[in-house]
Amino acid sequence: DVKVTQSSRYLVKRTGEKVFLECVQDMDHENMFWYRQDPGLGLRLIYFSYDVKMKEKGDIPEGYSVSREKKERFSLILESASTNQTSMYLCASSFGQGSTDTQYFGPGTRLTVL
Amino acid sequence: KQEVTQIPAALSVPEGENLVLNCSFTDSAIYNLQWFRQDPGKGLTSLLLIQSSQREQTSGRLNASLDKSSGRSTLYIAASQPGDSATYLCAVNSGNTPLVFGKGTRLSVIA
Repeated sequence: DVKVTQSSRYLVKRTGEKVFLECVQDMDHENMFWYRQDPGLGLRLIYFSYDVKMKEKGDIPEGYSVSREKKERFSLILESASTNQTSMYLCASSFGQGSTDTQYFGPGTRLTVL
Repeated sequence: KQEVTQIPAALSVPEGENLVLNCSFTDSAIYNLQWFRQDPGKGLTSLLLIQSSQREQTSGRLNASLDKSSGRSTLYIAASQPGDSATYLCAVNSGNTPLVFGKGTRLSVIA
C-alpha cells in the first residue's frame, strides 16, 4: 500500500514565524503536490513537483515556497506565517499523469496561525 | 481552463436509500475522471477511476459512470449506510496539468 505521511496532524504557530510542513511518500512516485483546503473554497493547489529539484506554481503560491531535494520528500514552507494561512494542508503523490494514475493523499496537517 | 462542478453541495438521506452524486466538467479532453472520499479532518481516499475510453467502473456498492461528450459523471451509491457519510469529490485529469477538483458533495446518511 502507498503511504503518504505528513510531519504533524495539528500545528499552532504565531504570526511571522517560519513554518515547515513535511511530506514523505514511500512508493517512489515522481509527482508530489501540496494543497490547502478551506470551507467553501475546496481544494486549492499551492505547488507541485514532477521531479527532484523541480517545482511548479499552482493556483495560490503566494506566501509559500517548496523544496524537493529527495524524490520521496516534498516540503512546504511558509516564510512568514499569517493568520490567513490558517487552513488544512494536504500533501499528495502520484506515479505519473497518465490515464490510470491516481493521487494518494496524506492525512493532512491542520495549521492554526495566531 | 478546466472547471469541475458538483451538485448538490450537501445531501441528507435515510439509511437504505440509493443515491446519485453528480459531477460536471467543462473540457471533454480528459485522460480520466476520479472519485474520492474524504472523512472529516482526514485526507482523501481514491474510490474509483474511470479512464476516458471507459463508460463506468464499479466497486462494491459504488458505481461511477462517465459521459465524456456531455461532460458529466455520476457516482451511484446503492443501499446507503451511515458509514457512507463523508464528502465525495470528483477530479478530472487532463494529462498535462494537475488534477482539477470539484468542491465536493457532503453526504449524510441518517440511521
